[in-house]
Amino acid sequence: DTAVSQTPKYLVTQMGNDKSIKCEQNLGHDTMYWYKQDSKKFLKIMFSYNNKELIINETVPNRFSPKSPDKAHLNLHINSLELGDSAVYFCASSQDISGEDTQYFGPGTRLTVL
Amino acid sequence: DQQVKQNSPSLSVQEGRISILNCDYTNSMFDYFLWYKKYPAEGPTFLISISSIKDKNEDGRFTVFLNKSAKHLSLHIVPSQPGDSAVYFCAASGTGNQFYFGTGTSLTVIP
Repeated sequence: DTAVSQTPKYLVTQMGNDKSIKCEQNLGHDTMYWYKQDSKKFLKIMFSYNNKELIINETVPNRFSPKSPDKAHLNLHINSLELGDSAVYFCASSQDISGEDTQYFGPGTRLTVL
Repeated sequence: DQQVKQNSPSLSVQEGRISILNCDYTNSMFDYFLWYKKYPAEGPTFLISISSIKDKNEDGRFTVFLNKSAKHLSLHIVPSQPGDSAVYFCAASGTGNQFYFGTGTSLTVIP
């Protein structure tokens, strides 16, 4: 059973398009995250949701809009895609927001913007 | 501003020898540290963690050492096995649930 799943695994699209990446966790966790791993392999948090409420919103263009329909899902919608958005995006979840809880990661979505 | 740094992008070790992966951090408020292991085309998986109240945590072949005064932690793998070949990420957190990750060290264990 996959604990944290993301779809799609690969996404190739043109500049200016709007796309979504979906994330689901079946661990019963309260907190979910989106991370971006750029070309320099730097893994940086973008958003954090706890019980469907936004907790962390790092300096991310407002073209990126997370949506959490329920505790088990955190989707990432990206408007007007730009070349610089090309990266691997990881979803993760943890039991709570304590900061000492292990985060479980999805397999990543490799986004390529042409 | 990168608060967690892994200065060695790659490391090669012979099978059976010790692998030592290093990580430095700048924020003295960090009090919880983790190591993740990542295989190609997969998400990072949790390996081992340590709280700032300890200076060592051991789990089988994996041991993490924390030197708070030097703001340095290291992961020791003994003995190293070919299946350990992966990218290892160090991560740190303080108050709140935000984790800061290093850029990773790619470990190759040579049979």
